[in-house]
Amino acid sequence: AQSVSQHNHHVILSEAASLELGCNYSYGGTVNLFWYVQYPGQHLQLLLKYFSGDPLVKGIKGFEAEFIKSKFSFNLRKPSVQWSDTAEYFCAVNLYSGTYKYIFGTGTRLKVLA
Amino acid sequence: GAGVSQTPSNKVTEKGKYVELRCDPISGHTALYWYRQSLGQGPEFLIYFQGTGAADDSGLPNDRFFAVRPEGSVSTLKIQRTERGDSAVYLCASSYDRGPGELFFGEGSRLTVL
Repeated sequence: AQSVSQHNHHVILSEAASLELGCNYSYGGTVNLFWYVQYPGQHLQLLLKYFSGDPLVKGIKGFEAEFIKSKFSFNLRKPSVQWSDTAEYFCAVNLYSGTYKYIFGTGTRLKVLA
Repeated sequence: GAGVSQTPSNKVTEKGKYVELRCDPISGHTALYWYRQSLGQGPEFLIYFQGTGAADDSGLPNDRFFAVRPEGSVSTLKIQRTERGDSAVYLCASSYDRGPGELFFGEGSRLTVL
């Protein structure tokens, strides 16, 4: 069955530290990849997405992600985190397998210390 | 407002009772998704509507769960004979079309079954 794995469940960083959150998926066909973020008390919202083309995509607030097809990965990065990045981050995969499926990972809770 | 609206935001019920959760998607969005999110988990797919029809209901856990979207806009998730294990946040999301697009989420309905 198709699935999305996020190996970091909780991450604590100090401000200005670099961030990398891992995301791997299991599906051999064409995928579209997303990172969503949920700030405290808010709804899930899109951070960035990859459909095709340049495998390095840039999103809002200085986030970027790299699609590595051979590794089935779509890791999220930010060179220097801020306290306001404290949130839960979800990797998601959209694929077509008879119907469109949108599968989420279990999430990574990031806490940035001021 | 222009976003996805879900009601109620909180629902506390007793085991065995019937519950309805409502989702009002963004106007013009033909695709509508229901997810369930338990503590420490990512959104778990329940059902996906394209227009009025359920294109994929493979995520509904059992026959106590049912969802409708009679006019292709508002959707209602119905849970019969609720159990304590049904306690979770139920998320609704909509998108413009059935393809690989961004999902727009509501704030969720938190269901607590005592």
